[in-house]
Amino acid sequence: TQLLEQSPQFLSIQEGENLTVYCNSSSVFSSLQWYRQEPGEGPVLLVTVVTGGEVKKLKRLTFQFGDARKDSSLHITAAQPGDTGLYLCAASQWTSYGKLTFGQGTILTVHP
Amino acid sequence: DTGVSQDPRHKITKRGQNVTFRCDPISEHNRLYWYRQTLGQGPEFLTYFQNEAQLEKSRLLSDRFSAERPKGSFSTLEIQRTEQGDSAMYLCASSLVPGGTDTQYFGPGTRLTVL
Repeated sequence: TQLLEQSPQFLSIQEGENLTVYCNSSSVFSSLQWYRQEPGEGPVLLVTVVTGGEVKKLKRLTFQFGDARKDSSLHITAAQPGDTGLYLCAASQWTSYGKLTFGQGTILTVHP
Repeated sequence: DTGVSQDPRHKITKRGQNVTFRCDPISEHNRLYWYRQTLGQGPEFLTYFQNEAQLEKSRLLSDRFSAERPKGSFSTLEIQRTEQGDSAMYLCASSLVPGGTDTQYFGPGTRLTVL
C-alpha cells in the first residue's frame, strides 16, 4: 500500500511568518499534486510537479519535488490570513492509471 | 468550460434509503474519478472511468455502491441501503489523457449525512 505522510497535521501561525509543509513516501511517484481545500468545497489544484528536483513558484508559494520523486514540500512566504485552509498533497504512480493517493492534509490557520 | 459540477451539494437521508449523486466532468475530459472524504482525512479513491468503461474499483466500494458513466460524459454514484458510516463528502474529479500529467480537477463535492 502506498502511503503519503504529510506533516505537520496542524499549523497555526501569525500573518507574515513563513512555513513549510512536507509530503513523504517510500514509493516513487510519476507525479505529485498539491491542492488547497476550503471547508465544504472540493480540493482546488495549486500545482503539479512531475520531474525529480523540480521547483515551481506560484506567487508566495514554492513547491519542490524531491530528486528521487518520493517527497515534496510546499513553502509559503509571508503567510496571509487568506492562505488559511487545508493543504493536501496527492500522488500517482505510473501503474495506477492516474488514481491519486492523498496525504492526510495540513490544516493551516494564519492569524491576522 | 465551467469546471466539474456535482449535484446535489448536500443530501440528508435516513439509514436504509438509497441515494444517487451526479457528476458532470469538464467537457472533453475522458477520465472521471470518484473519491470519498471523511472529516479530518484526505480523499480516498473509490473508482474511475475512462470514457464509459469502469476500469478500477477500490475495496472501499462495497456491493451497496454502484457507479455508471453510460455515455462517457456524466456519471452517477448510487448507494443502496445507506448506513451511518456512509456519511462523508463524495468528490468527483476529471482529467484528460493523454495529457502528460493526468492532472485531476475536482468538483465541489456532495456532502452526505445519513441519520
